[in-house]
Amino acid sequence: GDSVTQMEGPVTLSEEAFLTINCTYTATGYPSLFWYVQYPGEGLQLLLKATKADDKGSNKGFEATYRKETTSFHLEKGSVQVSDSAVYFCALSDTSYGKLTFGQGTILTVHP
Amino acid sequence: NAGVTQTPKFQVLKTGQSMTLQCAQDMNHEYMSWYRQDPGMGLRLIHYSVGAGITDQGEVPNGYNVSRSTTEDFPLRLLSAAPSQTSVYFCASRSWGQNTGELFFGEGSRLTVL
Repeated sequence: GDSVTQMEGPVTLSEEAFLTINCTYTATGYPSLFWYVQYPGEGLQLLLKATKADDKGSNKGFEATYRKETTSFHLEKGSVQVSDSAVYFCALSDTSYGKLTFGQGTILTVHP
Repeated sequence: NAGVTQTPKFQVLKTGQSMTLQCAQDMNHEYMSWYRQDPGMGLRLIHYSVGAGITDQGEVPNGYNVSRSTTEDFPLRLLSAAPSQTSVYFCASRSWGQNTGELFFGEGSRLTVL
C-alpha cells in the first residue's frame, strides 16, 4: 500500500537557519503530494502541494519539488523564524478517492 | 466562517464506556473523514465518507463506527472504549471530485481512556 516516510525529529534550529525536512514516498500510480503544518493546539492546515512530477509547491517561504525519479518531496526554507515552530506532515493522495496517507510528522523548534 | 467543528475538545472515559465524537462542516463538502493522531505514528485514517449514506473503512477502523445521514455531519462512535483508543482525533473534509484539493481539518478532540 501507499506509505510516506519523513526524517525523524525533532529538529531544532536557530532563527534564520536553513531548513530541510526529508520526505520519501511509496505509491502506485501518480499521487499528489502535500505538506501540512500543525501549530500548537490547532488542527492541520495545508502548507503547499504538487500534483505532478517536477512541480514545485511554495508558500510562506517554504518550497518542495515533486521528484518522481527519487520518489521524494523534501521541504525547504531558506531562513526559518520562531513562528515556524510547528509539526510538519508530508502526505500523499491516492488517485481514486483522494484519501491522504500521512508521514509520522516532524517537530520543528526554532530558537531566537 | 466555522469550517469544520469538532466536539468535545477534551473527554475522559473509563474502559468500556461509549461516546460519540461530533463533526460538522458548513462548506457543503461531500468527502468527510476521521483520523487519529498518535506520537510517532502520524495521522491514520479511521473511516471516511464520500456522501450522505456512504461510508467506508480506513486503515484502523476496529472499535469505531460511523454514519453519514446528512452532508454536514459525520459522527464517530466508540461503542466500548479501550485504553488503546487514547488519542487525538481529527475530522477533515473536502470537496468531492477534487482529489488534489485541500483537506480542511477541525481543531481536534483529545480522548483519554482510563
